[in-house]
Amino acid sequence: EAQVTQNPRYLITVTGKKLTVTCSQNMNHEYMSWYRQDPGLGLRQIYYSMNVEVTDKGDVPEGYKVSRKEKRNFPLILESPSPNQTSLYFCASAFAPYGNSPLHFGNGTRLTVT
Amino acid sequence: DQQVKQNSPSLSVQEGRISILNCDYTNSMFDYFLWYKKYPAEGPTFLISISSIKDKNEDGRFTVFLNKSAKHLSLHIVPSQPGDSAVYFCAARPNTGNQFYFGTGTSLTVIP
Repeated sequence: EAQVTQNPRYLITVTGKKLTVTCSQNMNHEYMSWYRQDPGLGLRQIYYSMNVEVTDKGDVPEGYKVSRKEKRNFPLILESPSPNQTSLYFCASAFAPYGNSPLHFGNGTRLTVT
Repeated sequence: DQQVKQNSPSLSVQEGRISILNCDYTNSMFDYFLWYKKYPAEGPTFLISISSIKDKNEDGRFTVFLNKSAKHLSLHIVPSQPGDSAVYFCAARPNTGNQFYFGTGTSLTVIP
């Protein structure tokens, strides 16, 4: 089944403790991206990747890191999480970042930072 | 600055009637527009899209209309069903960029 898989689904952590949220897609998509969803703000892009070893900042990249060493994986890293990073996070992928190629989303990771 | 706006946070419609969800955008460089549907505890699911060379795209009960001069798009669901109750996001991508921009969502409730 074609899908985007994120782990974990739920995560509670404390301020400053490094964490990684994994994302994997099995559709051979070139484009991958991370979003956060907050009440009243919709989905805001954190980082995106056009292909392996090619990443770029979205609208809200502060406090996050990403890497794209393999085409299928695009982990989101919070080196020193803070309470304002408490949010619902979605990973997404698309066949290509151009043309009529829609994003396909994972099921989300709800992160709470205390 | 929100480049894609959904000004109605919620909408209630009777089963069998038409649901119309609206979306406005500010960037004239957007050339690809999408609608997503999101149930609680799930990721957004792609519903329907339209490119800027068209003004209408239809898929079963779902039709998207694009008015480029007004920078407005709408999603029509006919007839509405209780299973359509969800949050709907519109999104757009510019022809020269690699980012998708999303609205804040409209929560649709279809009343049986």
